[in-house]
Amino acid sequence: LAKTTQPISMDSYEGQEVNITCSHNNIATNDYITWYQQFPSQGPRFIIQGYKTKVTNEVASLFIPADRKSSTLSLPRVSLSDTAVYYCLVGDMRAAGNKLTFGGGTRVLVKP
Amino acid sequence: EAQVTQNPRYLITVTGKKLTVTCSQNMNHEYMSWYRQDPGLGLRQIYYSMNVEVTDKGDVPEGYKVSRKEKRNFPLILESPSPNQTSLYFCASSPTGSSYNSPLHFGNGTRLTVT
Repeated sequence: LAKTTQPISMDSYEGQEVNITCSHNNIATNDYITWYQQFPSQGPRFIIQGYKTKVTNEVASLFIPADRKSSTLSLPRVSLSDTAVYYCLVGDMRAAGNKLTFGGGTRVLVKP
Repeated sequence: EAQVTQNPRYLITVTGKKLTVTCSQNMNHEYMSWYRQDPGLGLRQIYYSMNVEVTDKGDVPEGYKVSRKEKRNFPLILESPSPNQTSLYFCASSPTGSSYNSPLHFGNGTRLTVT
């Protein structure tokens, strides 16, 4: 099971780009990398998922280098409403007996 | 609306009094899981279930029980709650068995206080 390491917290300002890197040195061949966003008193919400290279959707981009030992979530032009905790999760949902373990998350504070 | 529903949202109880937190999903998902969230410790998995009648321990199963008699329901049972089980609990579900690595869908959480 791939263990993930993320920075505990990051501060940013409105309109800036925020990049959060997650380390997962023992990622397995079939593992996907998934990022979730969590607001206080709510359940985590799916943001983006990728396997390799770059993935982009309407809210974020995910950069995965060739060795897949890390990944970077990029939030373009953040607003105050992007203040949340962001979790990186590495695993294979299709695998039997899959314990999906989250890391400690990164608390992002967006300032005006 | 596709969702994972947990009940109750808030629960205060006393040590040793059995309780059940319900979780239901309407998306026909095979995979369901329970997590607890504590300050500084992130989300830790308690139990998970790959399908009906198939359950397995997560990272912190002590003091908890689960059952999966129907696909849509995955209740979390605390037979004899203790104060160290005071936490925020989340249920999650996901489809499995497909070629797509589907993400987890979470409920809105149950805040449990054991005195």
